[in-house]
Amino acid sequence: DAGVTQSPTHLIKTRGQQVTLRCSPISGHKSVSWYQQVLGQGPQFIFQYYEKEERGRGNFPDRFSARQFPNYSSELNVNALLLGDSALYLCASSLGSSYQPQHFGDGTRLSIL
Amino acid sequence: DQQVKQNSPSLSVQEGRISILNCDYTNSMFDYFLWYKKYPAEGPTFLISISSIKDKNEDGRFTVFLNKSAKHLSLHIVPSQPGDSAVYFCAVVLTSGTYKYIFGTGTRLKVLA
Repeated sequence: DAGVTQSPTHLIKTRGQQVTLRCSPISGHKSVSWYQQVLGQGPQFIFQYYEKEERGRGNFPDRFSARQFPNYSSELNVNALLLGDSALYLCASSLGSSYQPQHFGDGTRLSIL
Repeated sequence: DQQVKQNSPSLSVQEGRISILNCDYTNSMFDYFLWYKKYPAEGPTFLISISSIKDKNEDGRFTVFLNKSAKHLSLHIVPSQPGDSAVYFCAVVLTSGTYKYIFGTGTRLKVLA
């Protein structure tokens, strides 16, 4: 079975631009979460979606938004990019929400110039 | 305000010996605790978990201990193997009220052959 897939793997943008990252969960998983990881830190929780509804949100500005589609895939959008948005963005899926172990993709490396 | 801390950024252990990784948290309301392992250029992989109603959970060479009064979580790996060399993250989950899924900063484990 395919794991969590994320696209693209690498992306370079300039300040002020907008970016969309994509995630396909493991088949049968209904929950998708997004994380931002900067060097030397653990993943920081951005959003969780379950059955297409937002179930949790971390301390990120409104420039960050996400949605989940009927096939449970998800997109993360970031507007008005700042240099500080440069990071590895991880997507994770799980069967349900709350405490179940999450299965991570290998991430999208976003660089802002 | 770090709610989850892994105070040892790195740890070196001889092959065959025990590895002990530690994690401290601040909020007694967290109700689920997990450990993940991360290799370079890959997303984190779930290792083992424990709910707040237990104090120990074992899975093969991996054992997680939870001390709720001390708000302390530890992962024991016995015996340690060179393939265990990776970055280990603890994660804590709050499922009631505002959903939170918080990772620690990670501990880099190196198992020496």
